[in-house]
Amino acid sequence: DADVTQTPRNRITKTGKRIMLECSQTKGHDRMYWYRQDPGLGLRLIYYSFDVKDINKGEISDGYSVSRQAQAKFSLSLESAIPNQTALYFCATSDPSGPTDTQYFGPGTRLTVL
Amino acid sequence: GQNIDQPTEMTATEGAIVQINCTYQTSGFNGLFWYQQHAGEAPTFLSYNVLDGLEEKGRFSSFLSRSKGYSYLLLKELQMKDSASYLCAVYGSSNTGKLIFGQGTTLQVKP
Repeated sequence: DADVTQTPRNRITKTGKRIMLECSQTKGHDRMYWYRQDPGLGLRLIYYSFDVKDINKGEISDGYSVSRQAQAKFSLSLESAIPNQTALYFCATSDPSGPTDTQYFGPGTRLTVL
Repeated sequence: GQNIDQPTEMTATEGAIVQINCTYQTSGFNGLFWYQQHAGEAPTFLSYNVLDGLEEKGRFSSFLSRSKGYSYLLLKELQMKDSASYLCAVYGSSNTGKLIFGQGTTLQVKP
């Protein structure tokens, strides 16, 4: 089984709809992250969480919100989706107690907003 | 400010060696990561450098010069499956845990 899973893997929605993307991990890592990836722009950090009680904005948090329901679950919501939120979204986890705090990524969710 | 530069695209021949460069200017530095990403898939960890010098891992090696703000990823004995994007990312601070990514270099390996 994959260590980091994301649901759904693909989603097409309309402008103005509320969307939730979910991420679960079995790695036992405290740190979790949400990124979006757009062609030519690389990965950009939306939100990150160091534990259940710690949520932080990344560089592009406007239009997004998150919820850390448990150590293993971190959800990203688009309250009112707009077309420029069409992108590939990745969740990642890391363990800072390790030697490198390497981030491990989920398989991604491809979101299209019409 | 934060800036990480990589070439956008590179092409190389199967069996050859290719070097992908990355230069960075960041407000903090606690290491540099290289990730491989096949089209439409998740980035996967390749290497981490925090000290100057070369780290070798099979066909892949990564080099870091902190004084020059420079790193490269060296891929030897290229295979068709190495066609992918290669992402350079700077780890700014262990307190923030944030990675700053470059836009990635798309490598095409030709027969």
